[in-house]
Amino acid sequence: KAGVTQTPRYLIKTRGQQVTLSCSPISGHRSVSWYQQTPGQGLQFLFEYFSETQRNKGNFPGRFSGRQFSNSRSEMNVSTLELGDSALYLCASSEQGSETQYFGPGTRLLVL
Amino acid sequence: AQSVTQLDSHVSVSEGTPVLLRCNYSSSYSPSLFWYVQHPNKGLQLLLKYTSAATLVKGINGFEAEFKKSETSFHLTKPSAHMSDAAEYFCVVSDLDDYKLSFGAGTTVTVRA
Repeated sequence: KAGVTQTPRYLIKTRGQQVTLSCSPISGHRSVSWYQQTPGQGLQFLFEYFSETQRNKGNFPGRFSGRQFSNSRSEMNVSTLELGDSALYLCASSEQGSETQYFGPGTRLLVL
Repeated sequence: AQSVTQLDSHVSVSEGTPVLLRCNYSSSYSPSLFWYVQHPNKGLQLLLKYTSAATLVKGINGFEAEFKKSETSFHLTKPSAHMSDAAEYFCVVSDLDDYKLSFGAGTTVTVRA
């Protein structure tokens, strides 16, 4: 089976812009989670989707949003980018009822 | 809320010597615990997981971890370090009720030739 894929792998944006990141889960996995990784804050949970429904959201401002499509692919959007949004954004997928999450390679976002 | 604490931010070992990465957890019930590894500029790879079956868990690449409820610990070990083990390691606890993973701060492993 192919692993979790994320696109794009690298992005450079300027403050105030918005960005959309994409994640395709492992085939058959219906749960998709997003995490932000920064040197200062480490790995932090953003949100989790299952069957197109957000089941949980971390402590991030409303500028961070996401969605999941019927084929389980997911996107996250960050509006009005700030310098502090520069990070590695990781997507993970899991099977229904399983706690084991499999991670993609991440999208590295740089905000200038 | 469940959480994990990684007791060492950095561990340096010589190639061929044992590696020990320490992790303590806090949980109101029997948790599911994981170790993930992240090589530079890569995503996270699952090393092993504990889900209340055997307390000694074997993972990939010669790593293993022991769940000790009395000590609330889940330490990761490898008998003989290899240069390719140089990476950052994360101890992780799962909160199934909240559908999320909570990560430790990470331990950076350096392997000296």
